[in-house]
Amino acid sequence: QVHLQESGPGLVKPSETLSLTCTVSGASINTYYWSWIRQPPGKGLEWIGYVFYTGITNYNPSLTSRVTISLDTSKNQFSLKLNSVTAADTAVYYCARGLGVALVLDYWGQGTLVTVSS
Amino acid sequence: SYELTQPPSVSVSPGQTASITCSADKLGDKYVCWYQQKPGQSPVLVIYQDNKRPSGIPERFSGSTSASTATLTISGTQAMDEADYYCQAWDSRTGVFGGGTKLTVL
Repeated sequence: QVHLQESGPGLVKPSETLSLTCTVSGASINTYYWSWIRQPPGKGLEWIGYVFYTGITNYNPSLTSRVTISLDTSKNQFSLKLNSVTAADTAVYYCARGLGVALVLDYWGQGTLVTVSS
Repeated sequence: SYELTQPPSVSVSPGQTASITCSADKLGDKYVCWYQQKPGQSPVLVIYQDNKRPSGIPERFSGSTSASTATLTISGTQAMDEADYYCQAWDSRTGVFGGGTKLTVL
Protein backbone atom coordinates (compact mmCIF):
# COMPACT_ATOMS: atom_id res chain seq x y z
CA GLN A 1 0.00 0.00 0.00
CA VAL A 2 1.37 3.39 -0.99
CA HIS A 3 1.58 5.94 1.82
CA LEU A 4 2.70 9.56 1.76
CA GLN A 5 3.40 11.62 4.87
CA GLU A 6 4.11 15.34 4.99
CA SER A 7 6.35 16.80 7.68
CA GLY A 8 7.77 20.19 8.56
CA PRO A 9 7.20 23.31 10.66
CA GLY A 10 3.60 24.32 11.24
CA LEU A 11 4.49 27.97 11.70
CA VAL A 12 6.67 30.12 9.46
CA LYS A 13 7.40 33.82 9.81
CA PRO A 14 6.62 36.25 6.98
CA SER A 15 9.45 36.68 4.45
CA GLU A 16 11.06 33.39 5.52
CA THR A 17 11.18 30.05 3.68
CA LEU A 18 8.57 27.32 4.06
CA SER A 19 10.17 23.86 3.93
CA LEU A 20 8.24 20.60 3.85
CA THR A 21 9.20 16.98 3.24
CA CYS A 22 7.07 14.14 1.93
CA THR A 23 8.15 10.65 2.94
CA VAL A 24 6.96 7.91 0.60
CA SER A 25 6.48 4.27 1.55
CA GLY A 26 5.18 1.41 -0.55
CA ALA A 27 6.52 2.93 -3.79
CA SER A 28 9.91 3.92 -5.10
CA ILE A 29 10.63 7.62 -5.49
CA ASN A 30 12.64 6.54 -8.56
CA THR A 31 9.44 6.25 -10.54
CA TYR A 32 6.38 8.44 -11.11
CA TYR A 33 5.78 12.15 -10.73
CA TRP A 34 5.65 13.68 -7.25
CA SER A 35 3.46 16.73 -6.67
CA TRP A 36 2.68 19.34 -4.06
CA ILE A 37 -0.81 20.83 -3.80
CA ARG A 38 -2.11 23.33 -1.25
CA GLN A 39 -5.48 24.44 0.09
CA PRO A 40 -5.97 27.72 2.00
CA PRO A 41 -8.45 27.42 4.86
CA GLY A 42 -11.99 27.23 3.50
CA LYS A 43 -10.84 27.48 -0.11
CA GLY A 44 -10.10 25.23 -3.07
CA LEU A 45 -7.10 23.23 -4.21
CA GLU A 46 -4.09 24.83 -5.89
CA TRP A 47 -1.41 22.81 -7.69
CA ILE A 48 2.09 23.97 -6.74
CA GLY A 49 4.32 21.79 -8.89
CA TYR A 50 5.88 18.39 -9.47
CA VAL A 51 9.22 16.69 -9.75
CA PHE A 52 9.69 13.72 -12.06
CA TYR A 53 11.95 10.90 -10.91
CA THR A 54 14.54 12.10 -13.41
CA GLY A 55 14.71 15.40 -11.56
CA ILE A 56 12.71 17.38 -14.12
CA THR A 57 10.42 19.89 -12.44
CA ASN A 58 7.39 21.94 -13.45
CA TYR A 59 5.79 24.67 -11.34
CA ASN A 60 2.61 26.71 -11.18
CA PRO A 61 3.41 29.90 -13.13
CA SER A 62 2.03 32.00 -10.27
CA LEU A 63 4.59 30.49 -7.86
CA THR A 64 7.55 29.60 -10.07
CA SER A 65 9.74 32.46 -8.88
CA ARG A 66 9.49 31.30 -5.25
CA VAL A 67 9.23 27.50 -5.34
CA THR A 68 11.66 24.60 -5.54
CA ILE A 69 10.72 20.91 -5.48
CA SER A 70 13.45 18.30 -5.23
CA LEU A 71 14.04 14.58 -4.65
CA ASP A 72 16.11 12.74 -2.04
CA THR A 73 16.29 9.25 -3.49
CA SER A 74 18.40 7.91 -0.63
CA LYS A 75 15.56 8.59 1.80
CA ASN A 76 12.65 8.00 -0.62
CA GLN A 77 11.50 11.56 0.02
CA PHE A 78 10.77 14.70 -1.92
CA SER A 79 10.61 18.22 -0.63
CA LEU A 80 9.07 21.64 -1.13
CA LYS A 81 10.68 24.99 -0.51
CA LEU A 82 8.67 28.19 -0.88
CA ASN A 83 10.51 31.38 -0.12
CA SER A 84 9.45 34.90 0.79
CA VAL A 85 6.18 33.67 2.29
CA THR A 86 3.27 35.89 3.27
CA ALA A 87 -0.01 35.27 5.05
CA ALA A 88 -1.48 34.30 1.68
CA ASP A 89 0.69 31.17 1.77
CA THR A 90 -1.13 29.89 4.86
CA ALA A 91 -2.68 26.60 3.78
CA VAL A 92 -2.86 22.86 4.20
CA TYR A 93 -0.08 21.45 2.05
CA TYR A 94 -0.54 18.02 0.46
CA CYS A 95 1.94 15.81 -1.30
CA ALA A 96 0.68 13.38 -3.94
CA ARG A 97 1.88 10.82 -6.45
CA GLY A 98 1.30 11.40 -10.16
CA LEU A 99 0.83 8.26 -12.19
CA GLY A 100 1.42 7.72 -15.88
CA VAL A 101 1.41 10.05 -18.83
CA ALA A 102 -1.95 11.42 -17.68
CA LEU A 103 -0.35 12.38 -14.34
CA VAL A 104 -3.23 10.99 -12.29
CA LEU A 105 -2.88 12.06 -8.65
CA ASP A 106 -3.76 8.69 -7.22
CA TYR A 107 -2.28 8.78 -3.72
CA TRP A 108 -2.29 11.78 -1.39
CA GLY A 109 -0.77 12.49 2.00
CA GLN A 110 -2.95 13.52 4.92
CA GLY A 111 -1.86 17.14 4.58
CA THR A 112 -0.12 19.48 6.97
CA LEU A 113 -1.25 22.95 7.97
CA VAL A 114 1.35 25.67 7.61
CA THR A 115 0.54 29.06 9.10
CA VAL A 116 2.50 32.14 8.12
CA SER A 117 2.52 34.55 11.03
CA SER A 118 4.95 36.55 13.11
CA SER B 1 -3.96 30.99 -17.67
CA TYR B 2 -6.22 27.96 -18.10
CA GLU B 3 -9.29 27.90 -15.88
CA LEU B 4 -11.78 25.17 -14.99
CA THR B 5 -15.25 26.41 -14.00
CA GLN B 6 -17.50 24.47 -11.62
CA PRO B 7 -20.81 25.45 -10.02
CA PRO B 8 -20.23 26.34 -6.35
CA SER B 9 -22.98 24.04 -5.14
CA VAL B 10 -25.29 21.24 -6.23
CA SER B 11 -28.12 19.72 -4.22
CA VAL B 12 -29.66 16.29 -4.69
CA SER B 13 -32.17 14.10 -2.88
CA PRO B 14 -31.04 10.69 -1.64
CA GLY B 15 -31.39 8.05 -4.32
CA GLN B 16 -31.47 10.58 -7.14
CA THR B 17 -28.79 11.39 -9.71
CA ALA B 18 -26.34 14.23 -9.12
CA SER B 19 -24.44 15.86 -11.96
CA ILE B 20 -21.48 18.16 -11.43
CA THR B 21 -20.03 20.00 -14.42
CA CYS B 22 -16.58 21.35 -15.17
CA SER B 23 -16.13 23.66 -18.14
CA ALA B 24 -13.16 25.10 -19.99
CA ASP B 25 -12.01 25.88 -23.48
CA LYS B 26 -11.19 22.69 -25.41
CA LEU B 27 -11.47 20.61 -22.25
CA GLY B 28 -12.36 17.62 -24.39
CA ASP B 29 -8.77 17.59 -25.67
CA LYS B 30 -7.45 16.92 -22.17
CA TYR B 31 -7.82 14.14 -19.62
CA VAL B 32 -9.98 15.12 -16.64
CA CYS B 33 -9.85 13.72 -13.13
CA TRP B 34 -12.37 14.16 -10.33
CA TYR B 35 -11.57 14.24 -6.62
CA GLN B 36 -13.89 13.91 -3.64
CA GLN B 37 -12.97 15.72 -0.44
CA LYS B 38 -14.84 15.34 2.82
CA PRO B 39 -14.34 17.80 5.69
CA GLY B 40 -10.96 17.43 7.36
CA GLN B 41 -9.81 14.76 4.90
CA SER B 42 -7.47 14.57 1.94
CA PRO B 43 -8.91 14.49 -1.58
CA VAL B 44 -9.69 11.05 -2.97
CA LEU B 45 -9.53 10.21 -6.66
CA VAL B 46 -12.96 9.04 -7.89
CA ILE B 47 -12.60 9.37 -11.69
CA TYR B 48 -9.48 9.53 -13.86
CA GLN B 49 -8.87 9.86 -17.60
CA ASP B 50 -12.39 11.27 -18.05
CA ASN B 51 -14.37 8.14 -17.22
CA LYS B 52 -12.29 5.51 -15.42
CA ARG B 53 -12.98 4.48 -11.84
CA PRO B 54 -10.11 3.55 -9.51
CA SER B 55 -10.36 0.32 -7.61
CA GLY B 56 -12.65 0.68 -4.61
CA ILE B 57 -14.76 3.52 -6.01
CA PRO B 58 -18.46 2.55 -6.23
CA GLU B 59 -20.00 2.02 -9.65
CA ARG B 60 -22.48 4.84 -8.99
CA PHE B 61 -19.66 7.28 -9.82
CA SER B 62 -19.14 7.89 -13.54
CA GLY B 63 -17.57 10.53 -15.74
CA SER B 64 -18.10 11.85 -19.25
CA THR B 65 -16.79 14.62 -21.44
CA SER B 66 -17.76 16.74 -24.43
CA ALA B 67 -15.86 19.40 -26.33
CA SER B 68 -15.77 21.86 -23.47
CA THR B 69 -17.45 20.21 -20.50
CA ALA B 70 -16.67 17.28 -18.24
CA THR B 71 -19.41 15.86 -16.05
CA LEU B 72 -19.25 13.79 -12.89
CA THR B 73 -22.43 11.80 -12.38
CA ILE B 74 -23.40 10.09 -9.16
CA SER B 75 -26.31 7.70 -9.62
CA GLY B 76 -28.40 6.71 -6.63
CA THR B 77 -26.69 9.34 -4.50
CA GLN B 78 -26.17 8.40 -0.87
CA ALA B 79 -25.73 10.55 2.20
CA MET B 80 -22.08 9.49 2.35
CA ASP B 81 -21.50 11.18 -1.01
CA GLU B 82 -21.99 14.62 0.51
CA ALA B 83 -18.61 16.30 -0.03
CA ASP B 84 -16.69 18.81 -2.09
CA TYR B 85 -15.80 17.67 -5.60
CA TYR B 86 -12.95 19.06 -7.68
CA CYS B 87 -12.22 18.54 -11.34
CA GLN B 88 -8.61 18.68 -12.47
CA ALA B 89 -6.76 18.73 -15.76
CA TRP B 90 -3.27 19.38 -17.12
CA ASP B 91 -2.57 22.27 -19.47
CA SER B 92 0.93 22.15 -20.96
CA ARG B 93 2.03 19.95 -18.05
CA THR B 94 0.69 22.51 -15.55
CA GLY B 95 -1.90 21.26 -13.10
CA VAL B 96 -5.20 23.10 -12.87
CA PHE B 97 -8.06 22.49 -10.43
CA GLY B 98 -11.61 23.71 -10.69
CA GLY B 99 -12.92 25.85 -7.88
CA GLY B 100 -14.83 22.95 -6.36
CA THR B 101 -18.50 22.06 -6.01
CA LYS B 102 -20.16 21.40 -2.68
CA LEU B 103 -22.59 18.50 -3.09
CA THR B 104 -25.42 18.54 -0.57
CA VAL B 105 -27.59 15.47 -0.15
CA LEU B 106 -30.92 16.45 1.37
